[in-house]
Amino acid sequence: ETGVTQTPRHLVMGMTNKKSLKCEQHLGHNAMYWYKQSAKKPLELMFVYNFKEQTENNSVPSRFSPECPNSSHLFLHLHTLQPEDSALYLCASSPTLYTRDLNTGELFFGEGSRLTVL
Amino acid sequence: DAKTTQPNSMESNEEEPVHLPCNHSTISGTDYIHWYRQLPSQGPEYVIHGLTSNVNNRMASLAIAEDRKSSTLILHRATLRDAAVYYCILSPPDSNYQLIWGAGTKLIIKP
Repeated sequence: ETGVTQTPRHLVMGMTNKKSLKCEQHLGHNAMYWYKQSAKKPLELMFVYNFKEQTENNSVPSRFSPECPNSSHLFLHLHTLQPEDSALYLCASSPTLYTRDLNTGELFFGEGSRLTVL
Repeated sequence: DAKTTQPNSMESNEEEPVHLPCNHSTISGTDYIHWYRQLPSQGPEYVIHGLTSNVNNRMASLAIAEDRKSSTLILHRATLRDAAVYYCILSPPDSNYQLIWGAGTKLIIKP
């Protein structure tokens, strides 16, 4: 399997549930990202990891908890979510953190996990 | 942070070139210009990016105005598979990886 794979593709959860989103990349990239895409809003960067270390937490509420056990896997643990957290959650990876680099600055996105919070 | 302005939607005929405009009048000298596209029910896909010079790759060409206040993504021969939302994005100088996403242009391809 190649590229960035996200599971599950769809998730419905209640506000008191605990669930996790998983992202896996087989591209040998060192940086991984979580983005949130809500209806009628631009993509929002949530978390950034570089060589398994978190380098960015974009003021994300603590009910979202990321985990990066190695450079190939990224999780987003969800707990006590609100209905307004319903969105498409996108994982991405890149060879390095430097999106400006004309040779290695490309982000590779997964297809996303569509989350609905009831 | 500098912002981008794109038309909400555009239509084009299949097998014809498409020119997607983007205004970024407040761009700084070190903001890179990135283009991504998002096909229905998929994550965004990289198209192209550049700083000052025009750029070409297998997917598209990026034409950057001399004053850098605008740019144009050129699809040389559109197919139905190019129907997507196209995002023109800036990367601010104070971050190595931040991308400032906008609302994008929905490109409709007519057969």
